[in-house]
Amino acid sequence: KNEVEQSPQNLTAQEGEFITINCSYSVGISALHWLQQHPGGGIVSLFMLSSGKKKHGRLIATINIQEKHSSLHITASHPRDSAVYICAVEGNKLVFGAGTILRVKS
Amino acid sequence: DAGVTQSPTHLIKTRGQQVTLRCSPKSGHDTVSWYQQALGQGPQFIFQYYEEEERQRGNFPDRFSGHQFPNYSSELNVNALLLGDSALYLCASSLVHAEAFFGQGTRLTVV
Repeated sequence: KNEVEQSPQNLTAQEGEFITINCSYSVGISALHWLQQHPGGGIVSLFMLSSGKKKHGRLIATINIQEKHSSLHITASHPRDSAVYICAVEGNKLVFGAGTILRVKS
Repeated sequence: DAGVTQSPTHLIKTRGQQVTLRCSPKSGHDTVSWYQQALGQGPQFIFQYYEEEERQRGNFPDRFSGHQFPNYSSELNVNALLLGDSALYLCASSLVHAEAFFGQGTRLTVV
């Protein structure tokens, strides 16, 4: 079993829809990261959180340490949100999920 | 601030050759980590450098080695290249236990 599991693997949404991507992990962590990767490879850090909830624009990330679960929400989705979203947990190193491929159609 | 920069952006090598990839961390960052990302998969941790020493290492063979220089820049070396080494190699810099910033990656193709 992978230490970090993401769901869904693939997600297609219509522009304007509310999107949720989930991440479950099985190890102790000091922090959890949500990352965005566009075609071509570059990774952008969206959030780093160790408790509670963070919001940045249309993006919201939550984490439940007791349940070892985090969610990334995108409100009012837009085609430019199309990317791979990756959850990574930090112990003594970063361990990544396989990513969720999001496609937002106009 | 240029952020994390990696060079080259693309590289094609032949099986058996050696390759060196380079990473300049974000200004002020002292920790550099390297990751290998195969097509369609999440990145896998190779190793992390701090104060010019390898501090952590993932499950990669000794063909993968690295170095960190006094200015915190880093190199990743891969010897005796295999076809399976073809991947996107990502570098990330940070301060210890702080948010990581990623470079654009080096796309290595081994033929």
